[in-house]
Amino acid sequence: EPEVTQTPSHQVTQMGQEVILRCVPISNHLYFYWYRQILGQKVEFLVSFYNNEISEKSEIFDDQFSVERPDGSNFTLKIRSTKLEDSAMYFCASSIDRANEQFFGPGTRLTVL
Amino acid sequence: EDQVTQSPEALRLQEGESSSLNCSYTVSGLRGLFWYRQDPGKGPEFLFTLYSAGEEKEKERLKATLTKKESFLHITAPKPEDSATYLCAMPYRGSEKLVFGKGMKLTVNP
Repeated sequence: EPEVTQTPSHQVTQMGQEVILRCVPISNHLYFYWYRQILGQKVEFLVSFYNNEISEKSEIFDDQFSVERPDGSNFTLKIRSTKLEDSAMYFCASSIDRANEQFFGPGTRLTVL
Repeated sequence: EDQVTQSPEALRLQEGESSSLNCSYTVSGLRGLFWYRQDPGKGPEFLFTLYSAGEEKEKERLKATLTKKESFLHITAPKPEDSATYLCAMPYRGSEKLVFGKGMKLTVNP
């Protein structure tokens, strides 16, 4: 069964460093998303991406964040200068259509020291 | 503001003891309600989509139902492997953004 994959599973970085989180969405899906979940809190929307551009972003998704689909399969989230408060689980998701269910990857645990 | 509220926050059941989880929502123009299961340290796993009041979906020991104001996830004769956090979510207004509830942590004891 097709699934969303994410790498790495765990990333440890120093405050101020850049990180890139990678995702391979389900192959025939057209909409891609990043969410995050701080330990013990709700899953929060960060950004949606369609047709090679951002379609929506949350207040969390400031200038330190960017997304890219560098080729036909990968979808990346870059955080330019990480802060302690960026420590969270980051989930990539994809859907075949904007009104359909979103399928989530296993997540990348980001720890900022 | 559109909101999703789940109750209870945590539930302990004995194996075989059936129960229901509640997800209430306030949203204008429902465009679907989604149920997910999340195991510790993992991503949400899709379970069901419900689009209209009166709709029901079933999968093994789980059945999801929808009214105009809330959704229920009924768990019949649960097993320890059903232990997880169950999340409900819905699209925020006219967007693709999903708004999640806080989740309900279910523990099923053998």
